[in-house]
Amino acid sequence: AQSVAQPEDQVNVAEGNPLTVKCTYSVSGNPYLFWYVQYPNRGLQFLLKYITGDNLVKGSYGFEAEFNKSQTSFHLKKPSALVSDSALYFCAVSSGSARQLTFGSGTQLTVLP
Amino acid sequence: EADIYQTPRYLVIGTGKKITLECSQTMGHDKMYWYQQDPGMELHLIHYSYGVNSTEKGDLSSESTVSRIRTEHFPLTLESARPSHTSQYLCASSETLSGTRKNSPLHFGNGTRLTVT
Repeated sequence: AQSVAQPEDQVNVAEGNPLTVKCTYSVSGNPYLFWYVQYPNRGLQFLLKYITGDNLVKGSYGFEAEFNKSQTSFHLKKPSALVSDSALYFCAVSSGSARQLTFGSGTQLTVLP
Repeated sequence: EADIYQTPRYLVIGTGKKITLECSQTMGHDKMYWYQQDPGMELHLIHYSYGVNSTEKGDLSSESTVSRIRTEHFPLTLESARPSHTSQYLCASSETLSGTRKNSPLHFGNGTRLTVT
């Protein structure tokens, strides 16, 4: 069975500071990893994905994520946070043989002005 | 910007009523999904479809049913709504990437927020 853990329900960061939203996963086989963002009263929007290749993946809105196989992690990062980045962030994983994504429980990011 | 549409956006309905939540996508995606999400909480897959006339139940047991008669349309029906069905319902779609067995990232609709009184 595959699973995703987002250990922090809430992350607060000051505007202009770097941000990190943590994600660890468990999957048999090669992982396919995704980050999605959800703004209030909206559906989820795709940010970035790791399938294979470079461990550092760049995505939308200046976000990036680092795949670490030994630590089974895929943390989301941004060098300089904006107030508009405040939203709910979901990590998701799938394996090559799995038929669906498994989502984490979400992390509420609040960027303080 | 959305290529996947859900209607209605908000619905308040009394117990015992039959309701259908609509979901349509214009991208020609073969796969479609329904997720249930309580506000600010994780997503739970309740139904999915890999193509026309193909539907399966997801991880979370649900009293709802779905149908997939056309590629672009994936409605969800509750025969008799109950207060426990109050939640947000998110529809999503994806496609199989050419030459692989992998799926594209999910495209989500904006959701239907259902309240059953």
